[in-house]
Amino acid sequence: NAGVTQTPKFQVLKTGQSMTLQCAQDMNHNSMYWYRQDPGMGLRLIYYSASEGTTDKGEVPNGYNVSRLNKREFSLRLESAAPSQTSVYFCASSQTEGIQPQHFGDGTRLSIL
Amino acid sequence: GQQLNQSPQSMFIQEGEDVSMNCTSSSIFNTWLWYKQDPGEGPVLLIALYKAGELTSNGRLTAQFGITRKDSFLNISASIPSDVGIYFCAGLYGNKLVFGAGTILRVKS
Repeated sequence: NAGVTQTPKFQVLKTGQSMTLQCAQDMNHNSMYWYRQDPGMGLRLIYYSASEGTTDKGEVPNGYNVSRLNKREFSLRLESAAPSQTSVYFCASSQTEGIQPQHFGDGTRLSIL
Repeated sequence: GQQLNQSPQSMFIQEGEDVSMNCTSSSIFNTWLWYKQDPGEGPVLLIALYKAGELTSNGRLTAQFGITRKDSFLNISASIPSDVGIYFCAGLYGNKLVFGAGTILRVKS
């Protein structure tokens, strides 16, 4: 089925470990996004990629890095995980930047001990 | 920065009831969006509103873009059990999208 695929679905890390969250979309969308979702809060943008070859910081970029590997794939990396990064992470895509994220993945539930 | 206040935080519905929720802000937005999230899944875009005063329907869902551009409303008519979930509003200002904290819809037992 067409859509946004995230891996892994669940992960537990120890403080200080590193991890890369993978995201791929097969809708030929230009723009991709990484959000985090915390209890009682709306989704917050970590990083986004308006088009292949470009990435920009969102609202909460500290502690994260991203790579737009090609048009399909946009990965999120935690270099040294901290408990404050325990969250549910969503990848999303849209046809172009400046319009709403149209398709979200099912999320990666990350716990950092 | 822009913030959205979404209310109510949660509500119980009985099958057949109409449901209303809203989103307000002190900032002006160019676009209002409504998403629904089911447990264990990502949000799904329900309705997008692009113009002040616009009223748009998607089946039993109707959303309005407030005249002041600082608020938006979502109504669900004749609710059914599968309407339960979390509803998020989001406002777009330039290319910055801000999400509300969500309204949790639960079934009244």
